[in-house]
Amino acid sequence: DAKTTQPTSMDCAEGRAANLPCNHSTISGNEYVYWYRQIHSQGPQYIIHGLKNNETNEMASLIITEDRKSSTLILPHATLRDTAVYYCIGSYNTDKLIFGTGTRLQVFP
Amino acid sequence: DAGVTQSPTHLIKTRGQQVTLRCSPKSGHDTVSWYQQALGQGPQFIFQYYEEEERQRGNFPDRFSGHQFPNYSSELNVNALLLGDSALYLCASTPWLGTTSGFYEQYFGPGTRLTVT
Repeated sequence: DAKTTQPTSMDCAEGRAANLPCNHSTISGNEYVYWYRQIHSQGPQYIIHGLKNNETNEMASLIITEDRKSSTLILPHATLRDTAVYYCIGSYNTDKLIFGTGTRLQVFP
Repeated sequence: DAGVTQSPTHLIKTRGQQVTLRCSPKSGHDTVSWYQQALGQGPQFIFQYYEEEERQRGNFPDRFSGHQFPNYSSELNVNALLLGDSALYLCASTPWLGTTSGFYEQYFGPGTRLTVT
């Protein structure tokens, strides 16, 4: 599994876009980039995943650089309920997830 | 549609004791994985069960064992508890993917908080 590097913490104003970066320079060609988040006292929740192309769903957008060495998770209009720890995971295994320490996102009013 | 459920919510044990944690997967899911999350850390994969067999295992000692029942529910057993076993234990479920390519998101339960004193 690819080693990922994320900032320890970030702040974002409510209503603004939250852009969470992730470096995964060792990712191999068949490894996906997955994003999960964990709200306090809950289990992790799937957000989005991608291989090469940018992806968008109802929760977020995922932008992957052309060389696949980094990606950015975008929450377009952050709310207080988006305050959580966000994990970026580089893995072929969809069902054996290797979590790092993630980015603690604090959304403030 | 019931999601993943875990019991108990909290548990306090003494060093050297044994503990059993329980998980019921989301309806329609037949594969259960267990994770350990120490305070301030991300979850660490323990093992995965499908068809009542352990299919994958992370870097955990044999003190950690599991079981899956015909109704797909699962148990995690930890013997000879150490202080370092204090953590949040998470259960996740998916349909079985096997060796086929594809993606299933993992659905996590709320976890069991184990404290070893």
